[in-house]
Amino acid sequence: QSALTQPASVSGSPGQSITLSCTGTSSDIGGYNYVSWYQHSPGKAPKLMIYEVSNRPSGVSNRFSGSKSANTASLTISGLQAEDEADYYCCSYTTTINTPAYVFGTGTKVTVL
Amino acid sequence: EVQLVESGGGLVQPGGSLRLSCAASGFTFSSYWMNWVRQAPGEGLEWVANIKQDGSQKYYLDSVKGRFTISRDTAKNSLYLQMNSLRAEDTAVYYCARCTRWCDAFDIWGQGTMVTVSS
Repeated sequence: QSALTQPASVSGSPGQSITLSCTGTSSDIGGYNYVSWYQHSPGKAPKLMIYEVSNRPSGVSNRFSGSKSANTASLTISGLQAEDEADYYCCSYTTTINTPAYVFGTGTKVTVL
Repeated sequence: EVQLVESGGGLVQPGGSLRLSCAASGFTFSSYWMNWVRQAPGEGLEWVANIKQDGSQKYYLDSVKGRFTISRDTAKNSLYLQMNSLRAEDTAVYYCARCTRWCDAFDIWGQGTMVTVSS
């Protein structure tokens, strides 16, 4: 199972909105509404930001939103803040010969200018 | 506080074995699927394996099938990963992660434990 494709880096100024893309196939993103997004800073535990394409866990800012179209998922961060600087990974449920699995994206480094 | 704490990482020679542990607290461990996810140096996250609440179903990344075994002990609120025939490409930080109710995402993560496979 190949990793989902994400841009290596995205940057923006404080207050701006940025959108991170995550491209897969009909076997993962396109086949299931089980896309999740994680924020990961060095030395810290990854943090779930979005699940089931567009749902936010309790405690996650409403500045984070998710969507999906065909085989591509997106994470939008509105009102960019310095604390949003981190690596972001998408993830999708998938199956291989009817065996469940999960595939992560290559990761996007978000820089706040 | 809901928490996962990994242990057992270290330096091991190629072909060697290592057993990772993950201690869960603050939630009903027996109610959730559990996972291992790893991150090699300079690389992204990679799902490794998961196990059903009662241990009756286990799934693995193709590259670790036959070498790694996931298990759990409900009495000890612990998750394990037995890693045999280790290769250099298994070098990574290994994270323990809890599934959401429908196991479509990972909502609680540990801080990770580093495994280095090198001679």
